[in-house]
Amino acid sequence: AQTVTQSQPEMSVQEAETVTLSCTYDTSESDYYLFWYKQPPSRQMILVIRQEAYKQQNATENRFSVNFQKAAKSFSLKISDSQLGDAAMYFCAYRSSGQGAQKLVFGQGTRLTINP
Amino acid sequence: EPEVTQTPSHQVTQMGQEVILRCVPISNHLYFYWYRQILGQKVEFLVSFYNNEISEKSEIFDDQFSVERPDGSNFTLKIRSTKLEDSAMYFCASSRLRTGGSYTFGSGTRLTVV
Repeated sequence: AQTVTQSQPEMSVQEAETVTLSCTYDTSESDYYLFWYKQPPSRQMILVIRQEAYKQQNATENRFSVNFQKAAKSFSLKISDSQLGDAAMYFCAYRSSGQGAQKLVFGQGTRLTINP
Repeated sequence: EPEVTQTPSHQVTQMGQEVILRCVPISNHLYFYWYRQILGQKVEFLVSFYNNEISEKSEIFDDQFSVERPDGSNFTLKIRSTKLEDSAMYFCASSRLRTGGSYTFGSGTRLTVV
């Protein structure tokens, strides 16, 4: 079974600075998808960024980018120019590309605080 | 942008009562899911549903739980005889493709069992 580990329960960063959230995963599959979700105090799950394992190029969405290291099974999220609205819980998630309706496997989450 | 709609947003129920949580997935999505998040903990998979039957369920999804797609739009999660430990945020999600990134979450139902 796949597992996802986020080793940083909490992180903080100064506004406008850059922060990196770590995520590692364990799988025997070669093809899969990785995600970062943001959960603000409203507790809604908001997709931040997605990475397909077969793509070598790291995904980027505006101020958010990932460092995907397939061999190391590492998938970190970098937030540049941090803003107060970035404060939230961030969850890393894994999804198999196999047959059938594939569930997401989540990490434990990292609570990000932005200091003004 | 299409949304997954969940109702109610918050439900309080007495221990032992039955609750039904409702979801309206995105109309052209084919795969449906329920997840649970106990306060302060990670999001956990409960069940996936496709073609009017359960595709996969987790250990959490025991006989107390059931899912149904009673018509062409709604997708429900029923919890029979609720327990205090069922208090959590319940998320519905849907996806169009069997795999990939077209995976959309609803805004959740906060269930409080007293």
